[in-house]
Amino acid sequence: SQTIHQWPATLVQPVGSPLSLECTVEGTSNPNLYWYRQAAGRGLQLLFYSVGIGQISSEVPQNLSASRPQDRQFILSSKKLLLSDSGFYLCAWSVQKQAQYFGPGTRLTVL
Amino acid sequence: QKEVEQDPGPLSVPEGAIVSLNCTYSNSAFQYFMWYRQYSRKGPELLMYTYSSGNKEDGRFTAQVDKSSKYISLFIRDSQPSDSATYLCAMSGMNSGYSTLTFGKGTMLLVSP
Repeated sequence: SQTIHQWPATLVQPVGSPLSLECTVEGTSNPNLYWYRQAAGRGLQLLFYSVGIGQISSEVPQNLSASRPQDRQFILSSKKLLLSDSGFYLCAWSVQKQAQYFGPGTRLTVL
Repeated sequence: QKEVEQDPGPLSVPEGAIVSLNCTYSNSAFQYFMWYRQYSRKGPELLMYTYSSGNKEDGRFTAQVDKSSKYISLFIRDSQPSDSATYLCAMSGMNSGYSTLTFGKGTMLLVSP
């Protein structure tokens, strides 16, 4: 069966510090991968998606970037965090046009 | 007009009640419809996945899609306190190679014992 992992689970970072969130998927090959941010009262916002290694599409121009160094690994990064980057970050995977399956999430607080 | 509308709730019901959760949408290109359940501080969990119009049943859950009215519903029978969560609807059109989902903002459900 497929499993998706995210770490860390929670993170508190000062403004201006770098960020690296990691997501890995087990039990499937060549998944489509997604990064979302969920802010209170604002729903799920798609940040990036990837259909293959090294292929990243950005949905929202912002302070964040994403990379996919391996087939089942997806990384969300920032060089300098802003207060507005606080939120609940979710990684998801899908196969072709099927539904997306979400990870447990990382709660980021920028102070 | 927002692409997907969902009442935020909270919807409070007693244990054992039948719950009806709904979403309306404006994009007639949507073909795939999903319901997710999200517990507090957890990732969304896929509950139901349907294609085009019709009903789909899975245990206590029934998903209903009416494309002519652009309206989808999730029914929960014999609701339990463990059903207390936020329910998100999601939908997508026909894409090549990946799925871009449009989500509602979620309805919070509270089931009291």
